[in-house]
Amino acid sequence: AQKVTQAQTEISVVEKEDVTLDCVYETRDTTYYLFWYKQPPSGELVFLIRRNSFDEQNEISGRYSWNFQKSTSSFNFTITASQVVDSAVYFCALSEAARGGFKTIFGAGTRLFVKA
Amino acid sequence: EPEVTQTPSHQVTQMGQEVILRCVPISNHLYFYWYRQILGQKVEFLVSFYNNEISEKSEIFDDQFSVERPDGSNFTLKIRSTKLEDSAMYFCASSESQGGQPQHFGDGTRLSIL
Repeated sequence: AQKVTQAQTEISVVEKEDVTLDCVYETRDTTYYLFWYKQPPSGELVFLIRRNSFDEQNEISGRYSWNFQKSTSSFNFTITASQVVDSAVYFCALSEAARGGFKTIFGAGTRLFVKA
Repeated sequence: EPEVTQTPSHQVTQMGQEVILRCVPISNHLYFYWYRQILGQKVEFLVSFYNNEISEKSEIFDDQFSVERPDGSNFTLKIRSTKLEDSAMYFCASSESQGGQPQHFGDGTRLSIL
């Protein structure tokens, strides 16, 4: 059975601080995908990144970076020099092969508050 | 950039009534999904659909729910007899292939059951 745990329910930082959002996952599959989505107050789900289980390279995109470690089943997300616009709920998600498609399981989300 | 579109953005329905939520997936996508998010909670998988049939469904997706692709562009979720606990945001998603492509989400339909 698959599971995604985001232990941090809420994080509050001051603008320009760095912040790391943790994600730990469980799966029995050898082929799977991990995602991060952002849900701003307006409610839509915004795709941020996808990483497949065979690619452990870390990734940087502007102020965002992701650290994927299969040994600890973690896929953590760091925002450098946070900004007020980063305030949102961030969801980590795991996708395993289901018949005919990939079912995506979401973590409970981490609500990030960035104060000016 | 192509988008998944959902209508209506907000639906208010009396308990016990049927409701149909509509989605237009991205045109070249083959896999379609519905998720729901009860206010303040996590996003939950409901169902995936491929080749005109359900490929996977969750425990939430009971006999009150059905999905359909009535034509080449729409993908609908029907709730036959709504309950108060069906109140949630419903997200449609589509993906190009089975290979873990990022599922593109619509902006959601907020369903309020009175």
